[in-house]
Amino acid sequence: GNSVTQMEGPVTLSEEAFLTINCTYTATGYPSLFWYVQYPGEGLQLLLKATKADDKGSNKGFEATYRKETTSFHLEKGSVQVSDSAVYFCALRDPYNFNKFYFGSGTKLNVKP
Amino acid sequence: ETGVTQSPTHLIKTRGQQVTLRCSSQSGHNTVSWYQQALGQGPQFIFQYYREEENGRGNFPPRFSGLQFPNYSSELNVNALELDDSALYLCASSESILGETQYFGPGTRLLVL
Repeated sequence: GNSVTQMEGPVTLSEEAFLTINCTYTATGYPSLFWYVQYPGEGLQLLLKATKADDKGSNKGFEATYRKETTSFHLEKGSVQVSDSAVYFCALRDPYNFNKFYFGSGTKLNVKP
Repeated sequence: ETGVTQSPTHLIKTRGQQVTLRCSSQSGHNTVSWYQQALGQGPQFIFQYYREEENGRGNFPPRFSGLQFPNYSSELNVNALELDDSALYLCASSESILGETQYFGPGTRLLVL
């Protein structure tokens, strides 16, 4: 079956620190992979995505590389800001049932000034 | 361009009651998906509607049902509410049935007492 596993939070960092949030997946075939961000009181927003092995998704200074060999899609940012404080969700799209997306449980990031 | 909107924002019901949640998709989007997000968890796929027909369903019982209207707005109905139905219900729309990018609404928080 399909599933996504994320590192548990909360992750607390100081401003300008380096961020890594780990995500691994289990899937049949080769799914598209996504990172979504959820700010307090808001719905999920797509942060970045990658559709095939070795693709790198990037947006707003965040990056993630689709690693087929390790079935991973870790989120990184070189220098976090207080405004990055949110919950981050890793997700995959079932390659055989396009209507189904599977989300991880989310990782809360707190960035302190 | 209007984003995805949901109503109501909050709702309190008692066990055994029925509830209807509403979603207006983003302009031009003909596909709507509904998700349940329990506290501290990632969203779980309930079902998807495409051009007024259900197009796939997650692991939810039949008391969860939906509708999509000709203007592509949608409803989620839950009958015989249970305490475990307490969650944030998210609606997401996409440009087409193959669209990878989903646009989420802010959600409806349902509390079942």
